[in-house]
Amino acid sequence: AQTVTQSQPEMSVQEAETVTLSCTYDTSESDYYLFWYKQPPSRQMILVIRQEAYKQQNATENRFSVNFQKAAKSFSLKISDSQLGDAAMYFCAYRTGGGSQGNLIFGKGTKLSVKP
Amino acid sequence: GAVVSQHPSRVICKSGTSVKIECRSLDFQATTMFWYRQFPKKSLMLMATSNEGSKATYEQGVEKDKFLINHASLTLSTLTVTSAHPEDSSFYICSARDRGASNTEAFFGQGTRLTVV
Repeated sequence: AQTVTQSQPEMSVQEAETVTLSCTYDTSESDYYLFWYKQPPSRQMILVIRQEAYKQQNATENRFSVNFQKAAKSFSLKISDSQLGDAAMYFCAYRTGGGSQGNLIFGKGTKLSVKP
Repeated sequence: GAVVSQHPSRVICKSGTSVKIECRSLDFQATTMFWYRQFPKKSLMLMATSNEGSKATYEQGVEKDKFLINHASLTLSTLTVTSAHPEDSSFYICSARDRGASNTEAFFGQGTRLTVV
């Protein structure tokens, strides 16, 4: 079975600085997707970034980028120029590929605080 | 992006009663929807996978007779918590994927905070 591990329960960053959230996963599959979701106090899950396992290039979305190390099964999220609105719970998630309707498997989350 | 609407956002019910939560995909069709439960300061745990026109698939440890799932159309799935008890109090979230688009992420509803008193 696939598992997702986030080893940092809480992280803190100064506004305008950069922070990296860690995520590792375990799978025997070769085709899968990885995601980072943000959950602010409203509890609405918001997709931050997505990475297809078959793509070697790291995904980037504005201030958010990932460091995808497939061999190491590592998928970290880097937030640059942190803003107060970035404060939230961040969940790393895994989904089986192959066009399946598979569910997401979530890590336990990292609570990010942004200091002004 | 696609919108998933979940209703109600908050509900308080008496112990022993039943509560229905709706999950609608507003601008796309979803043959599969997922129901998650989230305890305070915890991650999302999959409860069941809702399949349009067929029985839901429940995760191990989830009572199918207590958490009734109906997926009668391509845009609506419902979760009914029957004979609710205080331990059922939690945050329930649904998600759905657009069947017409491959390689897409799941879209989440706003969640429902259930409090059983």
